[in-house]
Amino acid sequence: DGGITQSPKYLFRKEGQNVTLSCEQNLNHDAMYWYRQDPGQGLRLIYYSQIVNDFQKGDIAEGYSVSREKKESFPLTVTSAQKNPTAFYLCASSIEADRVGNQPQHFGDGTRLSIL
Amino acid sequence: GNSVTQMEGPVTLSEEAFLTINCTYTATGYPSLFWYVQYPGEGLQLLLKATKADDKGSNKGFEATYRKETTSFHLEKGSVQVSDSAVYFCALSTKYNFNKFYFGSGTKLNVKP
Repeated sequence: DGGITQSPKYLFRKEGQNVTLSCEQNLNHDAMYWYRQDPGQGLRLIYYSQIVNDFQKGDIAEGYSVSREKKESFPLTVTSAQKNPTAFYLCASSIEADRVGNQPQHFGDGTRLSIL
Repeated sequence: GNSVTQMEGPVTLSEEAFLTINCTYTATGYPSLFWYVQYPGEGLQLLLKATKADDKGSNKGFEATYRKETTSFHLEKGSVQVSDSAVYFCALSTKYNFNKFYFGSGTKLNVKP
């Protein structure tokens, strides 16, 4: 079955440590996205990528970094510069739809990051 | 700019009650509109969508109509079940914006037996 796989489901970070969240998709989608969700709140865009080897900052990119070396993969690193990283992180993908803007985003099941 | 406003939750209903969750939007151009559902501890699942004015999206008994004149996309269901308890998100996307989505803050629905 095609879909988006995020791992791990739960992740714990120590002070001063960088951690990397994995996102893999086998939907053959060009575009991929990372969101942060805090309790009782909506989704905020961290980074997005429309094509391999290219990505753009979203609304809250500070303290995060990404790479897009393969079409299927879009890992997110939460760096030690992110002072409040505890949140639920969601990865999504979509068909490249810049000219039409009407394609849904498909989501993984998320990674919950906590501070030790 | 683009934004989505949803009614505050939580919404608590008894089983078989009628559901309405309000969603209004502001957008440059003509957006496509979406409803997503999120069950506890999971990601978002697409519930329905509408891509032009007067379109009605429907799925699993849920419906929403794209109303350009009132800039609204309210979610409705005639008879809710306990299994519908979840958080519902309204979202929009527009052309030439890298398929960037703008999400509402979500509305939590609790359905009691």
